[in-house]
Amino acid sequence: GQQLNQSPQSMFIQEGEDVSMNCTSSSIFNTWLWYKQDPGEGPVLLIALYKAGELTSNGRLTAQFGITRKDSFLNISASIPSDVGIYFCAGPPTSGTYKYIFGTGTRLKVLA
Amino acid sequence: GAVVSQHPSRVICKSGTSVKIECRSLDFQATTMFWYRQFPKKSLMLMATSNEGSKATYEQGVEKDKFLINHASLTLSTLTVTSAHPEDSSFYICSARGTRGRFDEQFFGPGTRLTVL
Repeated sequence: GQQLNQSPQSMFIQEGEDVSMNCTSSSIFNTWLWYKQDPGEGPVLLIALYKAGELTSNGRLTAQFGITRKDSFLNISASIPSDVGIYFCAGPPTSGTYKYIFGTGTRLKVLA
Repeated sequence: GAVVSQHPSRVICKSGTSVKIECRSLDFQATTMFWYRQFPKKSLMLMATSNEGSKATYEQGVEKDKFLINHASLTLSTLTVTSAHPEDSSFYICSARGTRGRFDEQFFGPGTRLTVL
């Protein structure tokens, strides 16, 4: 079945550093979503992307919808301790369906 | 934003018993609800999709007789784990789409941690 692969799998960074992570698919997506999940909580939507090439920001977060429609990137600038968590990309695998599949996740740890 | 709640947030049960988890949309009508399962340090895996008033559609490999889903109203869906066993221990998360946000936007609940002893 379709999979969304995220890299890196995990990362330790110093507070204040910028962070980049990506998500790739073997098939085309028409929507890319980025979520953050804190331990024991449900995922929270950070950014939604709906057009190829789209670049969207939400505070310190910026995400891009890849031109090929098979990838997306999330950047976090000037990381802070509360950025710790797991970041998932997600999207509907086929057109006309409301189902999402989730990526493998990137676990972020910020060192103060 | 739209609010989705789950109850209970945590449940511990004995092997062989059944457990019911509720998912409610608090401030919108949920035409479709989704149930996900998440193992520790793993991603969310979609288990089933339910539309109000009709039978749930289960993903490949999910036992429909083990995980009973009911979506009897536009604000409530329930997941019943029947004859639970330790391997059913997991974090269960629901989401809902409907009369809030984009037509395809899902709003997620806070999750329910099930531990089967």
